[in-house]
Amino acid sequence: NAGVMQNPRHLVRRRGQEARLRCSPMKGHSHVYWYRQLPEEGLKFMVYLQKENIIDESGMPKERFSAEFPKEGPSILRIQQVVRGDSAAYFCASSPAAAGWTDTQYFGPGTRLTVL
Amino acid sequence: AQKITQTQPGMFVQEKEAVTLDCTYDTSDPSYGLFWYKQPSSGEMIFLIYQGSYDQQNATEGRYSLNFQKARKSANLVISASQLGDSAMYFCAMREGPVLTGGGNKLTFGTGTQLKVEL
Repeated sequence: NAGVMQNPRHLVRRRGQEARLRCSPMKGHSHVYWYRQLPEEGLKFMVYLQKENIIDESGMPKERFSAEFPKEGPSILRIQQVVRGDSAAYFCASSPAAAGWTDTQYFGPGTRLTVL
Repeated sequence: AQKITQTQPGMFVQEKEAVTLDCTYDTSDPSYGLFWYKQPSSGEMIFLIYQGSYDQQNATEGRYSLNFQKARKSANLVISASQLGDSAMYFCAMREGPVLTGGGNKLTFGTGTQLKVEL
């Protein structure tokens, strides 16, 4: 059973460019979460999505960041007009259901974004 | 106040010894889950163990066990018989709140403990 897939694993962008990060959840999982890890820090929640719905985006910066999880295809985290402070590791996690706090979130390998 | 506190930025342990990584949490919600993840130098996040707030017994998974002391709000990870491959960053995380409120699915992470296993 394939785990959570993320691509690309490494992404380099110049300031002002757009970054698109993709996440395919584990088979049978319908809930996707995005987290950001700045250097030397723990992970910080950004957004929680189900198919075609954003459930909780309380951790997402108000500008330049957006996320989607279409009916078909992977979840996308999009960062427009990247700045150096966006350099971080971006992790996607998935879980099978949101029925309770017992559901474990399984993480992908992360995308390391470097902004030059 | 910090929701998850890991007070040990770094720990050393000798191979084959047991080690305890500390984690305290803060929540007013009676329903919550506590998780430990391992992040090796390669960067991925590996789920290790889970403890629910209503679980009566401490969780165990192989060499990992969780010392859950609800009254003290602590959820320490115990690794028995340490191996060189256990050298990594370890994160404690909490998920709180009933799902029906819509905001109870996110994980809040501590700042991590870097564990180094020595020969």
